[in-house]
Amino acid sequence: DVKVTQSSRYLVKRTGEKVFLECVQDMDHENMFWYRQDPGLGLRLIYFSYDVKMKEKGDIPEGYSVSREKKERFSLILESASTNQTSMYLCASSFLDRGGNQPQHFGDGTRLSIL
Amino acid sequence: AQSVSQHNHHVILSEAASLELGCNYSYGGTVNLFWYVQYPGQHLQLLLKYFSGDPLVKGIKGFEAEFIKSKFSFNLRKPSVQWSDTAEYFCALLGGGADGLTFGKGTHLIIQP
Repeated sequence: DVKVTQSSRYLVKRTGEKVFLECVQDMDHENMFWYRQDPGLGLRLIYFSYDVKMKEKGDIPEGYSVSREKKERFSLILESASTNQTSMYLCASSFLDRGGNQPQHFGDGTRLSIL
Repeated sequence: AQSVSQHNHHVILSEAASLELGCNYSYGGTVNLFWYVQYPGQHLQLLLKYFSGDPLVKGIKGFEAEFIKSKFSFNLRKPSVQWSDTAEYFCALLGGGADGLTFGKGTHLIIQP
């Protein structure tokens, strides 16, 4: 069974702090994704990666960066956290298939609060 | 640009009622469509998916969805809902390549016992 693990379920940080959200998958998936989930807005893609050291901007990359040094790990970085980044963050992974036949598997989410 | 619209933001039904959640998409190319479900306190789970072939797709827990290309729709249905179907449901589109999913805003379904 696919396992996508996010390091923290809940996180509280202060404005201006640098914040790291970690995600690990155990299925050798090429693709990894970071979304944020906000009430009334659904899920929105922040960044994704289809290979080690490769990254692509999603729909809302501003204020975020990512790191993919190893295939199984995809980190989301808030360079200087702001209150509007308070949200639920979801990591997902899937096999690389340009026909789109591979569904994404999601982690449990990290609920991040910026004070 | 691609987009997904879910018109019902909150739906309240009684047990045994029939369910249909609307999903419309906007995309000019070949689409892959998904319905995900998120039960309270749990992670997103895949309910069903459409890639090609039979436009009527059957998923887990008695759910099905019909892809109607002419209407750009992928509505989710279940003939008789249960209290345990209370959850948030997301329709999503993959427009090809390794891009991430484009999600609708979600429909919060509440089933009253």
